Amino acid sequence: NAGVTQTPKFQVLKTGQSMTLQCAQDMNHEYMSWYRQDPGMGLRLIHYSVGAGITDQGEVPNGYNVSRSTTEDFPLRLLSAAPSQTSVYFCASRDTGASSYEQYFGPGTRLTVT
Amino acid sequence: SQQGEEDPQALSIQEGENATMNCSYKTSINNLQWYRQNSGRGLVHLILIRSNEREKHSGRLRVTLDTSKKSSSLLITASRAADTASYFCATVSSGGSYIPTFGRGTSLIVHP
Repeated sequence: NAGVTQTPKFQVLKTGQSMTLQCAQDMNHEYMSWYRQDPGMGLRLIHYSVGAGITDQGEVPNGYNVSRSTTEDFPLRLLSAAPSQTSVYFCASRDTGASSYEQYFGPGTRLTVT
Repeated sequence: SQQGEEDPQALSIQEGENATMNCSYKTSINNLQWYRQNSGRGLVHLILIRSNEREKHSGRLRVTLDTSKKSSSLLITASRAADTASYFCATVSSGGSYIPTFGRGTSLIVHP
């Protein structure tokens, strides 16, 4: 299994540009989520999904959109990039079994907005 | 807002020493997890402790949970240079989405 994959690894955008960060998992996990990590702030939840067709907002959703058309994919869209969105973005997934709370993380996408 | 807060923010020790990190949280939890992040990489799950458990072991890791004080500690015994990483606690609240909320992390440096 490849686990959780993210593309691209690095991206530089200009203010106002839009882009999509890709995330895919091959473990048939129902739960998927997006976090951003900023220095000194730990990980903050942006959006999450409990299954195909179902998404919800996390702690810091403004400026981001998500959709979940398949179990495998959970793309994150930046509508109009701002310098405040410079961060490292992590996608994670987990199983929905009653005893399965372990999250599996992708390697991250480092985004710089100039 | 962050549910868990780790303490200390940074820890520097010699190889062979024990490392202890603490996590405090605010609301009732279903479980608490510890993750490790090597520089420039994603997080890796280390251990999970449920709200009805008080202590758990996994190899050189020992986790304790005190729900009355809303706190947990992670002990790494006989540390190695390869343990150098950031360590995060993550809490899963009772009810709700069961998506973990992460703290700011403890940066551990183990000197060879």
